Amino acid sequence: NAGVTQTPKFRVLKTGQSMTLLCAQDMNHEYMYWYRQDPGMGLRLIHYSVGEGTTAKGEVPDGYNVSRLKKQNFLLGLESAAPSQTSVYFCASSVVGVEEQYFGPGTRLTVT
Amino acid sequence: SQQGEEDPQALSIQEGENATMNCSYKTSINNLQWYRQNSGRGLVHLILIRSNEREKHSGRLRVTLDTSKKSSSLLITASRAADTASYFCATDVGNQFYFGTGTSLTVIP
Repeated sequence: NAGVTQTPKFRVLKTGQSMTLLCAQDMNHEYMYWYRQDPGMGLRLIHYSVGEGTTAKGEVPDGYNVSRLKKQNFLLGLESAAPSQTSVYFCASSVVGVEEQYFGPGTRLTVT
Repeated sequence: SQQGEEDPQALSIQEGENATMNCSYKTSINNLQWYRQNSGRGLVHLILIRSNEREKHSGRLRVTLDTSKKSSSLLITASRAADTASYFCATDVGNQFYFGTGTSLTVIP
């Protein structure tokens, strides 16, 4: 039982490049979330999903897209990376929306 | 705008002492959660308190919730060096969670 895993752990992108971050959970959770964490800002919700095939915008969705084609996977895409997207990205999942969230280890992304 | 704000931003105590951190939020909530984050790691859930609860205990943790003041406190008793971490409160508005900026706790052996 791996819990929540994230791929990759680290990545450096040049401005304008694209990439996809993968989150996988093996707990059969319905809800999945993508957050970014910046120094002094806490965690901010980017997008979330309440079930397979559904996605919704969070607090800071601009510049990101997501997909939830399979219940266990939640993908976060950056179509044209910008230096402002340099951050640590965390994925989380939960059984239902207002209960305990389980977090992945994070992906550290640097955009130069 | 952020829903939750923790206070203080940083706290340094001696091992064995108690640590108290506070969280204030802006709108009505279903529940409030506290998480811990060790440096460079993901967040770990500590405790959840529902809006109709006033106090909850879990081991050395005690959480209070005052919905009239829109505030919560987390007390860690008999602190240990291993408690050194950042602590965040999280509140839910609909299906979205809002995390505060965190309290950085240092426990000196």
